[in-house]
Amino acid sequence: GQNIDQPTEMTATEGAIVQINCTYQTSGFNGLFWYQQHAGEAPTFLSYNVLDGLEEKGRFSSFLSRSKGYSYLLLKELQMKDSASYLCAGMDSNYQLIWGAGTKLIIKP
Amino acid sequence: DGGITQSPKYLFRKEGQNVTLSCEQNLNHDAMYWYRQDPGQGLRLIYYSQIVNDFQKGDIAEGYSVSREKKESFPLTVTSAQKNPTAFYLCASSIVAGQGTDTQYFGPGTRLTVL
Repeated sequence: GQNIDQPTEMTATEGAIVQINCTYQTSGFNGLFWYQQHAGEAPTFLSYNVLDGLEEKGRFSSFLSRSKGYSYLLLKELQMKDSASYLCAGMDSNYQLIWGAGTKLIIKP
Repeated sequence: DGGITQSPKYLFRKEGQNVTLSCEQNLNHDAMYWYRQDPGQGLRLIYYSQIVNDFQKGDIAEGYSVSREKKESFPLTVTSAQKNPTAFYLCASSIVAGQGTDTQYFGPGTRLTVL
C-alpha cells in the first residue's frame, strides 16, 4: 500500500532550526511536495523535490533521498509565524498526491 | 487577482439534506480537485477533473457528486448518502494533471457541519 509517515507534533524555539522528517512509500514516484497549513486555512506550496539532494529557498530547505524513501523540511531562523502544520505529499505513478497527516509545529518564544 | 475561491467558508446543514460547495478559479488551470481533511488524517481525494465535461473518482467518492461544465467551476455536492459528511473541504487546481512538476494550489476551504 501507499503511505506517508511524519511526526504528529514538534516543538522548537524562536530563532532556532528545526527538521521535519517524512518517509514515503508510493506506487511509483513522481516527486515529493511540502506544504504549509495554518490552522483553518488552505495549504500553501513550499517545495517540490524529484531528484536527490537539497533544494534551498530562503529560510526553508527540502531534502530528498529516493533510495531511502525519505525527505525532510528544514526551517531556519524560526519565527512565530512559522507555527503551522507542515504537510508532506508523495506523487505516485498516476500523478496522484498521497498525503501525510501533517506535522504540527509549535514555536515557543 | 488570480486565485481560487470557495464559498461559503462555514456551512451548516441538517442530516439528510444535500448540500453543494462552490469552487471557482480564474487561473486558467485545466485540472481541478476536491479533497476532504479530517483531524489527524492526510488529505483524501474525493474527485478530480482534468478537462471540462470529464471527471474521475478519487479514493472516497461515495456519497459525493461533481460536475465540470465550465473550466472555471467545479462544484461538489455532498449527498445524504455520505455517512460522515462533517469535515473541512478543500478545492485545488493545477495547470494540467499528469505532470510531476505540476503544483496544486488550494482555495480557502469550506468547513461543513452536519447537525
